Amino acid sequence: AQKITQTQPGMFVQEKEAVTLDCTYDTSDPSYGLFWYKQPSSGEMIFLIYQGSYDQQNATEGRYSLNFQKARKSANLVISASQLGDSAMYFCAMSQEYGNKLVFGAGTILRVKS
Amino acid sequence: EAGVAQSPRYKIIEKRQSVAFWCNPISGHATLYWYQQILGQGPKLLIQFQNNGVVDDSQLPKDRFSAERLKGVDSTLKIQPAKLEDSAVYLCASSLHGGRLQETQYFGPGTRLLVL
Repeated sequence: AQKITQTQPGMFVQEKEAVTLDCTYDTSDPSYGLFWYKQPSSGEMIFLIYQGSYDQQNATEGRYSLNFQKARKSANLVISASQLGDSAMYFCAMSQEYGNKLVFGAGTILRVKS
Repeated sequence: EAGVAQSPRYKIIEKRQSVAFWCNPISGHATLYWYQQILGQGPKLLIQFQNNGVVDDSQLPKDRFSAERLKGVDSTLKIQPAKLEDSAVYLCASSLHGGRLQETQYFGPGTRLLVL
């Protein structure tokens, strides 16, 4: 069965600094996708970045990058140059070949300090 | 492009009452998902539709929850009768095709349900 583990319930980061949010996953399927979503207090889930299990390079999207270490089954999100608007809940999720349903971790609350 | 629309945004009911939530996906999206997010947890898939057919409802408590997507566009999720443990945010999402690993799901703002 698929499982996503996010071990950091909460994180603080100083504005303009970088922060890494941890995510480990468990699956026996060779083909899968990894997503990160941001959920501000308004409740909507906002897509940030995607990494496929066969992608050779780490994904990047603006200030977001995904540190994908397949052998260690980890997919950490790195946010560079943190902004106050980055304060939110962040979820790591995994999709698999059939159906594309997402399995989510428990999330990490990020607070950016000025 | 309009996003995923959901209504109502908030609902408070008493246990054993019934409630319904509505979702309108992004235009042209074939796949629609309903997720339940209990406070402090990540969302959990309840049901997935491909057009108007059900792809996955393995985690839907079918004794009290039902969902339909009759014309392959908007969808309704119903709870009857509600229990205290149904208090959660109900998120609707859609994707263009469904069934593809890399396909992004786009979420609506959610409906916050409180059962007293």
